[in-house]
Parts: sequence; C-alpha cells; structure tokens
Amino acid sequence: AQSVSQHNHHVILSEAASLELGCNYSYGGTVNLFWYVQYPGQHLQLLLKYFSGDPLVKGIKGFEAEFIKSKFSFNLRKPSVQWSDTAEYFCAVNGLNTGKLIFGQGTTLQVKP
Amino acid sequence: ETGVTQSPTHLIKTRGQQVTLRCSSQSGHNTVSWYQQALGQGPQFIFQYYREEENGRGNFPPRFSGLQFPNYSSELNVNALELDDSALYLCASSLERDNNEQFFGPGTRLTVL
Repeated sequence: AQSVSQHNHHVILSEAASLELGCNYSYGGTVNLFWYVQYPGQHLQLLLKYFSGDPLVKGIKGFEAEFIKSKFSFNLRKPSVQWSDTAEYFCAVNGLNTGKLIFGQGTTLQVKP
Repeated sequence: ETGVTQSPTHLIKTRGQQVTLRCSSQSGHNTVSWYQQALGQGPQFIFQYYREEENGRGNFPPRFSGLQFPNYSSELNVNALELDDSALYLCASSLERDNNEQFFGPGTRLTVL
C-alpha cells in the first residue's frame, strides 16, 4: 500500500536548536517527494521538493532535505530553528505519472523563544 | 499573479444535506486536485481534474463528485452529508497533471451537525 509515515507527531525545540523531522514512504516505483509547511492561520505552502538529481535539496527559509532511496526516506533538516518556524510540517509523495499526493499525518513543531 | 482561492471559507450543514465548494485555480494552471484534511491528519486525496476530465480518484464514495470548468475553476460536491465529512477541504492547482508542484488554497472548513 502507498503510504507516508512521519515519525514525530509533536516536536518542541528551543530557538537555535537543530531540527530533523523523519519521513519514510512506501511506494512502488519512482517518486517525487515534497515537504509542505502550514503556519498558524495560513494555507499549505511548499518548503522544498525532490524530482531527480542531487538527493540533497535546499528549500526556503534555510530548510533542506535528503532523499535516501535505499531507506525510502526524505528527512527534513534545519541547522538552527527560529520561533517563526513554529508550524505543522507535512511530508508527501507522488508517483511519476500521477498527480495524487499522499501525505503523512504531519508533525507539529513548536519553537520556544 | 493570483493564487488559488476557495469559497466559502466556512460552512455549517446538517446530516443528509448537500454542499458545493468552489475553487479558482492559479493563473495558467489547468489541473485542480481536491483533498480532505480531518483534524490532526494530513490531507487525503479525493480526486483530480485535468482539462475538465477526472484524472484519478482516491478512496472516497461516489457521493463525492466534482466538476472542472473551461476556465479551469472547479467544484466539489458532496451529497448526503455525514458527520465524518466535517473537515477542511483543500483545493490545489498545478501547471500540468503530473510531476508538478501543487499550489494550495486556504481551504473551506465544513462542519456537519
């Protein structure tokens, strides 16, 4: 079955701490991978995406993610979080010839000032 | 460039009623996808429309139906509403149906009493 699993449901960090959010997927075939973020009161927006090429992708606001094909993982990282990073983060996957995005259940990140 | 817009913002209905939600895609986008996001969960794919034709459907019953118009705006219709249909309904548009970033609207919050 096609699925996305996010290991951490709720993460609390202090400002300047490093962040890593886990994401594993189950999907037959080649995939595109995404991280979306939902800030409080705002709509889902794309943080970064992987379609092909360099497995280390950089996104907006200092976020990056690494695609490890052998581990079916696409973990999100940021070296130093800010209070403004408080949000819900979703990992998502789709196959090469489908527009259907499969989302994980999300990770709530709370950054304490 | 206008982003994805959805109407209404909020809606309250009772069990058994019917509802229509509307979405205007981003300028230049010919593909619209609809998702249901229950509280505390990631979005779940309902269906996608590409150039006025349904292009893939998720695991939702037939009482969930949709439409895409020549200007690529879209409607989601839900008949015989059930309590479990209470959720945030998200619309996303993309340039093409496959291998493209999806841009999300703010959503319509549907409450079924």
